[in-house]
Amino acid sequence: EIVLTQSPGTLSLSPGERATLSCRASQSVSSYLAWYQLKPGQGPRLLIYDASNRATGIPARFSGSGSGTDFTLTISSLEPEDFAVYYCQQRSSWPFTFGPGTKVDI
Amino acid sequence: QVQLQESGPGLVKPSETLSLTCTVSGGSISSYYWSWIRQPPGKGLEWIGYIHYSGSTNYNPSLKSRLTISVDRSNNQFSLKLTSVAAADTAVYYCARHRPGYIGYQDYWGQGTLVTVSS
Repeated sequence: EIVLTQSPGTLSLSPGERATLSCRASQSVSSYLAWYQLKPGQGPRLLIYDASNRATGIPARFSGSGSGTDFTLTISSLEPEDFAVYYCQQRSSWPFTFGPGTKVDI
Repeated sequence: QVQLQESGPGLVKPSETLSLTCTVSGGSISSYYWSWIRQPPGKGLEWIGYIHYSGSTNYNPSLKSRLTISVDRSNNQFSLKLTSVAAADTAVYYCARHRPGYIGYQDYWGQGTLVTVSS
């Protein structure tokens, strides 16, 4: 099973600042990586798929990059609604796995 | 707009069977893959398994011996049965749809339902 690690565990920032979240895979997942946002009481929201493609309706301030084992999610300028937990997830091999999450808080 | 809604008991006794149903509205269950994913309290997300509308399945090896996922096309639903549950199965259970053409990326999710395993 592919293990994903995320850093940092918590990112404390202010609205308007730039957020950079990292995800590392225990072996190459090529570009088969997604990022999700999770807020309390809601299901996860797909932000990025195949490492760098924004999902439908996702604002341009969200961007993803990377391939192989190292990936980054960048939020260029935090909006109040962006404070949440972010998970990376690989679909390179079954079982698909998620990282432990990065909490972005104020 | 596609919507998914999980339903089922919120409390299950140890050693019994956990049963959940996901009802899909605003779209057809046909032509898609559908997943069950869970999150134990304070822990990360875990993929349980997924099913194609035709009925073919793929189960997480860690749960395979206890797991059944099925689809009911006539009612636009799919279901999860997990036998011999223990406290470690306490979690928020989510159902989700795979993004068309991309098995493994979920573009629509239910809001999740908490299932507690306790006597």
